[in-house]
Amino acid sequence: KQEVTQIPAALSVPEGENLVLNCSFTDSAIYNLQWFRQDPGKGLTSLLLIQSSQREQTSGRLNASLDKSSGRSTLYIAASQPGDSATYLCAGSSGGSYIPTFGRGTSLIVHP
Amino acid sequence: KAGVTQTPRYLIKTRGQQVTLSCSPISGHRSVSWYQQTPGQGLQFLFEYFSETQRNKGNFPGRFSGRQFSNSRSEMNVSTLELGDSALYLCASSLRGGATDTQYFGPGTRLTVL
Repeated sequence: KQEVTQIPAALSVPEGENLVLNCSFTDSAIYNLQWFRQDPGKGLTSLLLIQSSQREQTSGRLNASLDKSSGRSTLYIAASQPGDSATYLCAGSSGGSYIPTFGRGTSLIVHP
Repeated sequence: KAGVTQTPRYLIKTRGQQVTLSCSPISGHRSVSWYQQTPGQGLQFLFEYFSETQRNKGNFPGRFSGRQFSNSRSEMNVSTLELGDSALYLCASSLRGGATDTQYFGPGTRLTVL
C-alpha cells in the first residue's frame, strides 16, 4: 500500500526566496506523482503531473522532479511570492489502480 | 471550458440524517472520484466512477455510496450521518482516470454534522 509523506508540515519564508518542498513515497512502482496546491477552504489545483517514465516537469516558476529509486519527489519554487502561500500536496498512484494517495501537505507562507 | 462544479457548497445536517452531494465534471471527462478531507485524516479516497460503474472503492463504511449518470455527473450519498462525517468533500474528474491523466478538483462541499 502506497504511503506518502511530506516534510516539513509547515514552512515560512521571505518573499523572493527559492524553496524546495519534499515528498517521499514507499512504493517505487509508481505510475505518476502529482503536485497540487490548496488555498484555505478551497479545492485542489493541479500544478504538475510527472509520469513514471519522466524525471521532471516544469511550469513557470515551478519545477518538480521524480526519483523512483529513492522514493522521492521535490517541488522547487523559484523567486517565491506572497501569492504562493498555500498548502502544497503531493499524491502518488500505484498498486493496480490510478487512484492517488495523498500526503498531508506542506503549509507554505511567503511573507513580504 | 467550465471547471468541476459541486453543489451545494455548504451543508449543515444533524446526526442520523442523510445527505446527497452532487458533482458535475469537466465536459468530456468520464472518470469522477470522491474524496473526504478532514484535519485529522487528511485527504482520503472514497470511490471512483467511470462510465456509470464504480471502478474503485476506498475503505469507508457502506453508509457512503455513490452513483454516476450517463452524462458523467455524479452524486454521493451519506446515510445515518455521524459527527465524524463532518468534512470537506471533494470531487475530481479526469478524462479516463489513467496514469497520464491530470485530476481536476471542484471547490468542495463543506458538510457540518451537528
